[in-house]
Formats: sequence, C-alpha cells, structure tokens
Amino acid sequence: DIVMTQSPDSLAVSLGERATINCRSSQSVLYSSDNKNYLAWYQQKPGQPPKLLIYWASTRESGVPDRFSGSGSGTDFTLTISSLQAEDVAVYYCQQYYSTPFLFGLGTKLEIK
Amino acid sequence: EVQLVESGGGLVQPGGSLRLSCAASGFTFTDYWMSWVRQAPGKGLEWVANIKQDGSATYYVDSVKGRFTISRDNAKNSLYLQMNNLRAEDTAVYYCARASRWGGPFDFWGQGTLVTVSS
Repeated sequence: DIVMTQSPDSLAVSLGERATINCRSSQSVLYSSDNKNYLAWYQQKPGQPPKLLIYWASTRESGVPDRFSGSGSGTDFTLTISSLQAEDVAVYYCQQYYSTPFLFGLGTKLEIK
Repeated sequence: EVQLVESGGGLVQPGGSLRLSCAASGFTFTDYWMSWVRQAPGKGLEWVANIKQDGSATYYVDSVKGRFTISRDNAKNSLYLQMNNLRAEDTAVYYCARASRWGGPFDFWGQGTLVTVSS
C-alpha cells in the first residue's frame, strides 16, 4: 500500500498570510508512462463532503481560487494557500490515485491565528 | 446540475446487513468510475471500493473484502453498496464519489449517509 503522511496535523495562520501543508507518499506516485503525479488535494469544511482542489499534484480544479496551488513530484508534495481567507478554515487531505487502495492522508486542520 | 444523493444508511446491529444507494443525475453516469468513500466520526477519509463504468471491474480495500459488494445499474443511474457482516468499525458516513479515472481524482461527492453499527 502507498501510505500518505501529512504534516503538520494542525496549523494556525493569520489572515492574509501563507499556509503550507505537506504530504509525503511511501512510494513514488509519478507514473513514468505519462509523467504525471497521481496526487490530489481536497478541502473539507465541517458538515460538508470533501471538495477537490488540486489534481495531478498541481492542476487547479475549475472554480478553485488561484490562491490555492500544488507542487511537488515523486514522493513529496505541498499545498500552498498564498493569502489565507476566513473561508479557507477547513481540513485538507491529500490522496494518491496511483494504485489501490487509494489512500488519503490523515488530514491537516487549518485554523485562523 | 450534477447531483449524487446517497440513501439507505441507519442503525444496524453487529453482524447485520445494509444496502446503500446513490442516485446520480446531471451528468453521463456511464462516463465515470464510481467509488464509495467513508469517514468514521471525527476521523479522516477512507476509500472503500470502486467500480468501472460498465461494471466489469471492481476493487475493494482489504478491510471490507468478502463483506461488501459494490454494484451499479447504468439504466437507473444508480450505484450501490451491499454491506454484510457489519462491524462496529464500519460505523461512518458513506459518500459516493465519481472519478473519470480508475482511482481518482474524485471531482464530485454526494452529501453522505450515516451508517451506525451498534447493539
């Protein structure tokens, strides 16, 4: 199984400041045949289902604000929120879709400082 | 408007069975792999199972193999999860989610249905 490890578990950032969440996979999720990283990021607000933010490690889903960006390759990935807004308070999950079981990280809870 | 609406959750005793349904609308159901993803109370997300567009292939997380069966009825735009021999650790909100590829990404999720396994 490809295990996903997120850090930190929780994060408090001031409004307007940058938030950075890390995700590491136990094996590479870079598929050599298409040179794509099979890694997605989701945002989940209380009482709501998850929402897709980023896929292929760095492609922003349609409608997602451009303050959200994804980077990394192979086994190390980062989700960055460039200027934190109040509505960004949520739990963020990374997920690999390279191989079954399609595991998620344990989540990072993002709060306002 | 894309919609995924789950139903069938509830309280069941350990060892019991339950069948979840997910009604899809607003998109071409047969274009997508469909998955069930669950979330235990206060916990993270766990992918449970998925099924190919034509129903010809299914995959499961080890913890549910032999107990859960995923299926779909493309004529009814519906996804199902038959859950047998339920355990306390199966207690969770169960979401259905769609993906254009085998394992994801999951670009749309339903609101979920709560399954509680308790005596």
